[in-house]
Amino acid sequence: AAGVIQSPRHLIKEKRETATLKCYPIPRHDTVYWYQQGPGQDPQFLISFYEKMQSDKGSIPDRFSAQQFSDYHSELNMSSLELGDSALYFCASSRGHSDQPQHFGDGTRLSIL
Amino acid sequence: QQQVKQSPQSLIVQKGGISIINCAYENTAFDYFPWYQQFPGKGPALLIAIRPDVSEKKEGRFTISFNKSAKQFSLHIMDSQPGDSATYFCAATTSGSRLTFGEGTQLTVNP
Repeated sequence: AAGVIQSPRHLIKEKRETATLKCYPIPRHDTVYWYQQGPGQDPQFLISFYEKMQSDKGSIPDRFSAQQFSDYHSELNMSSLELGDSALYFCASSRGHSDQPQHFGDGTRLSIL
Repeated sequence: QQQVKQSPQSLIVQKGGISIINCAYENTAFDYFPWYQQFPGKGPALLIAIRPDVSEKKEGRFTISFNKSAKQFSLHIMDSQPGDSATYFCAATTSGSRLTFGEGTQLTVNP
């Protein structure tokens, strides 16, 4: 079965640079969620989109922005990167906005030097 | 403030034994409680989930027990295998919105 595809898998940036993470949801899934997971920590919700509209916003820094496109893929844009942004970034998708399980991709590991 | 509290932080079980992981929540608006399994370098994978109108759900070797009045739920892994060694997260959500995760349990099943 098709899964959530994230790219790139690994990304190395320097402080103050920008990064773009991409997420391709499972086919026919219209809802995308972004989570950040620090080392040894649980995933923390950043932001979600349903039918290309932002549906919820969590602890996402103002330096980050995201959007969902007409083909339902989503991109997380990160600017003025800081050392503390080093983490795993996961995207999850679901069909519909309620009562459906979220399925996760394998994440992008972002390292800030 | 952790809205979903998970214990233990780590668990070591012998092959064939029962692994039990517990979670407690505060927000009574939560209406969907999934468990995820995560291997190093991989994303969380949905294992099993339960809604508060059900007290128990079983899928293969995995069982969720749910106590609505106590606001607690637990994962039981029967006949634990070395391949079950992973980090397990309980989570909670309201009507399919953001997932709120527990702190995670690192399970080691010794052969």
